[in-house]
Amino acid sequence: KAGVTQTPRYLIKTRGQQVTLSCSPISGHRSVSWYQQTPGQGLQFLFEYFSETQRNKGNFPGRFSGRQFSNSRSEMNVSTLELGDSALYLCASSLAGTGGPQETQYFGPGTRLLVL
Amino acid sequence: DAKTTQPPSMDCAEGRAANLPCNHSTISGNEYVYWYRQIHSQGPQYIIHGLKNNETNEMASLIITEDRKSSTLILPHATLRDTAVYYCIVRAKNSGNTPLVFGKGTRLSVIA
Repeated sequence: KAGVTQTPRYLIKTRGQQVTLSCSPISGHRSVSWYQQTPGQGLQFLFEYFSETQRNKGNFPGRFSGRQFSNSRSEMNVSTLELGDSALYLCASSLAGTGGPQETQYFGPGTRLLVL
Repeated sequence: DAKTTQPPSMDCAEGRAANLPCNHSTISGNEYVYWYRQIHSQGPQYIIHGLKNNETNEMASLIITEDRKSSTLILPHATLRDTAVYYCIVRAKNSGNTPLVFGKGTRLSVIA
């Protein structure tokens, strides 16, 4: 079974631009979570989607948004990019998002975003 | 904030067992202990999880103390490819959409 895939793997943008990142979960997984990883703040939760609905959101500004499609694929968007948005953006999928042992989150390889 | 405490770094000789400790003294009865690792610039990789019994899979063993206030991840025969940051995370059973809360983890260096 294929793992979580993320595209693109690397991206360079300039301040003020916007960016869209894509995540395809493991087949059959319906919950998708997004995390940001920076050297200073470590791994931080952005938001989680299940059945096309955002169920949980971390402490990030409104410039960060996302959505999920009916096939469980998810995208996240960052508008008006700032230098501090340079990070590794990670997507994780889980089966049903209901908790319990079956709710292990599996991560993709990440998208490395550099904002100049 | 992370509910676990881990040493910032450890070394292990190749071929030897790597024992990574984790303190989770405030763990509650419905919380699992999860372990992930992250090899440089890759996504975190799930290793193992447990509630109160010791667990073993093809990657590692997880030993949880009887009072559940601490645990140890054991890599039985460490290789150079096991060099990574290891994260110990407590997460509630049936937590629904509760996100994983990562601390700083332990940077394990396996030395030839």
